[in-house]
Amino acid sequence: DQQVKQNSPSLSVQEGRISILNCDYTNSMFDYFLWYKKYPAEGPTFLISISSIKDKNEDGRFTVFLNKSAKHLSLHIVPSQPGDSAVYFCAASGDDMRFGAGTRLTVKP
Amino acid sequence: DTGVSQDPRHKITKRGQNVTFRCDPISEHNRLYWYRQTLGQGPEFLTYFQNEAQLEKSRLLSDRFSAERPKGSFSTLEIQRTEQGDSAMYLCASSSAAGISGANVLTFGAGSRLTVL
Repeated sequence: DQQVKQNSPSLSVQEGRISILNCDYTNSMFDYFLWYKKYPAEGPTFLISISSIKDKNEDGRFTVFLNKSAKHLSLHIVPSQPGDSAVYFCAASGDDMRFGAGTRLTVKP
Repeated sequence: DTGVSQDPRHKITKRGQNVTFRCDPISEHNRLYWYRQTLGQGPEFLTYFQNEAQLEKSRLLSDRFSAERPKGSFSTLEIQRTEQGDSAMYLCASSSAAGISGANVLTFGAGSRLTVL
């Protein structure tokens, strides 16, 4: 059951530009949404979260937007840096945590 | 605390053999999760514990899979009679009940990669 979907397997952006990663979910009962970043040979690491009662959360270069009516969230990275190149997973938290398939972000110098 | 530790990092086994993975969570975390990740996919939930109690099991967790957390500290995931389809990265994560932000933030280990020949 794919409750969390990331439909773009990859994204390539130029250094300094904005990266926008998208995520859709199906279950209205999720109470938090999170983004994790994963480098090769490492486990996913937490990046930023948003409560289901909010529509925006910002932390430095990273901003997450939540549109509950559309069951959609997005992660904006501005400005993008080469070190941001990684796989980004969207996750939704209820009694447990469900992950999307991930989007591989490549930031070109 | 060195974070979440998983052992072994890589296991190669023949079909039909049993394998066991161990996870040592962050010591003050009371929740422990097991996920499976295959190539091109995100982590798939398998099961989770609150202290020593196993609170939820995914239907992905067939009767060949068993997880334990006997004293509410480390956990083991055993796969009996392994099949080639079991080849995957097995990720362990831990968390406390809720962080300052209110979100249940999982801290992951580096994973145990299983290859079934």
